[in-house]
Amino acid sequence: DGGITQSPKYLFRKEGQNVTLSCEQNLNHDAMYWYRQDPGQGLRLIYYSQIVNDFQKGDIAEGYSVSREKKESFPLTVTSAQKNPTAFYLCASKRTGRGASTDTQYFGPGTRLTVL
Amino acid sequence: AQKVTQAQTEISVVEKEDVTLDCVYETRDTTYYLFWYKQPPSGELVFLIRRNSFDEQNEISGRYSWNFQKSTSSFNFTITASQVVDSAVYFCALSEFLSSGSARQLTFGSGTQLTVLP
Repeated sequence: DGGITQSPKYLFRKEGQNVTLSCEQNLNHDAMYWYRQDPGQGLRLIYYSQIVNDFQKGDIAEGYSVSREKKESFPLTVTSAQKNPTAFYLCASKRTGRGASTDTQYFGPGTRLTVL
Repeated sequence: AQKVTQAQTEISVVEKEDVTLDCVYETRDTTYYLFWYKQPPSGELVFLIRRNSFDEQNEISGRYSWNFQKSTSSFNFTITASQVVDSAVYFCALSEFLSSGSARQLTFGSGTQLTVLP
């Protein structure tokens, strides 16, 4: 089955620790995204990548880091510099190129991170 | 900057009632896309519809319909004969080019929590 997988589903972290959230897709999509969702709010963009070995900061990149070494994978590291990391994290991907269909982002199931 | 407003934070209806979710957007782009996503309790966002800014035709898909009006910058979503399984958070989103012009970014509204009671 084609889709986007995120792991783990739930993650607990102690203050001061870095943690890495996994995002994998087998849709052959070029672009991948990380969003953060806080209760009662919409999604905010953390980082995005349009091509392997290239990524750009979104609106709330401080305290986060990413890598894009493979087309299928876009892991997100939440560093100790992120002051309020407890949130729901969603990964998305989409095709690139011309046409309306390339503008639709498809989402993974999410990872709920809690800082203890 | 782009902005999406979903003024209805929570809506409760009884099963079989019709319900309309409002979405108002702001953009300076002439070409943009509008989306609706559904987020059930499991958390995953499910894509429902995409609408091009040049296409103001309303769309119906089963019990779902969408009313896009450029004149009022609105893209409202109606569920006819609602069912308990429709209970979810619904997000409206706007896609337009980033300032660099190299990529599009999705801007989300804050979502509307729909509860359909049996």
